[in-house]
Amino acid sequence: LAKTTQPISMDSYEGQEVNITCSHNNIATNDYITWYQQFPSQGPRFIIQGYKTKVTNEVASLFIPADRKSSTLSLPRVSLSDTAVYYCLVGAGGYNKLIFGAGTRLAVHP
Amino acid sequence: DTGVSQDPRHKITKRGQNVTFRCDPISEHNRLYWYRQTLGQGPEFLTYFQNEAQLEKSRLLSDRFSAERPKGSFSTLEIQRTEQGDSAMYLCASSLSAGAGETQYFGPGTRLLVL
Repeated sequence: LAKTTQPISMDSYEGQEVNITCSHNNIATNDYITWYQQFPSQGPRFIIQGYKTKVTNEVASLFIPADRKSSTLSLPRVSLSDTAVYYCLVGAGGYNKLIFGAGTRLAVHP
Repeated sequence: DTGVSQDPRHKITKRGQNVTFRCDPISEHNRLYWYRQTLGQGPEFLTYFQNEAQLEKSRLLSDRFSAERPKGSFSTLEIQRTEQGDSAMYLCASSLSAGAGETQYFGPGTRLLVL
């Protein structure tokens, strides 16, 4: 399974757009890119998943360039409640033993 | 609530005791996973079931750990002779095998503290 690299931490302020970039240079042809959010003492929550180009849902957008070696999670107008750890994962469709890194700790300030 | 549920949410035990955790997946999800998460780290894969068959076990799953999923519905994870190093959050996730882009949905976790 492809390894991912993402910043250890980020800081932002309420109302700003936050972009978290993840590198996955060894992504395989059939790998999807998935992002999870985790609050303290809770299980990870699925945010968004994509294969190429751009995916948008009610929570976030995911931008994937043509070479798919990186991806960017975009959170529009963050609030204090978006303070959490964000994990980027890549894996094949079908059975997917998720391999989590340390994630990105996002702190949103008033 | 039709999400993944886990019971108990918290467990405190003494070293050497046995503990058992339960996970109820989202109904109709045929795949079930167990992960372990220690403070400051991402979750680590422990084991995986497709229906009632346990198809993969991590090397993290020592012989003190056993997991079952009778009838392909709920699952239990038992730890025998607990050690302080077993203290962690134990997470369960489920998914529906759907080919490409399968998504795992996690439960709230069971936090274990071994004294």
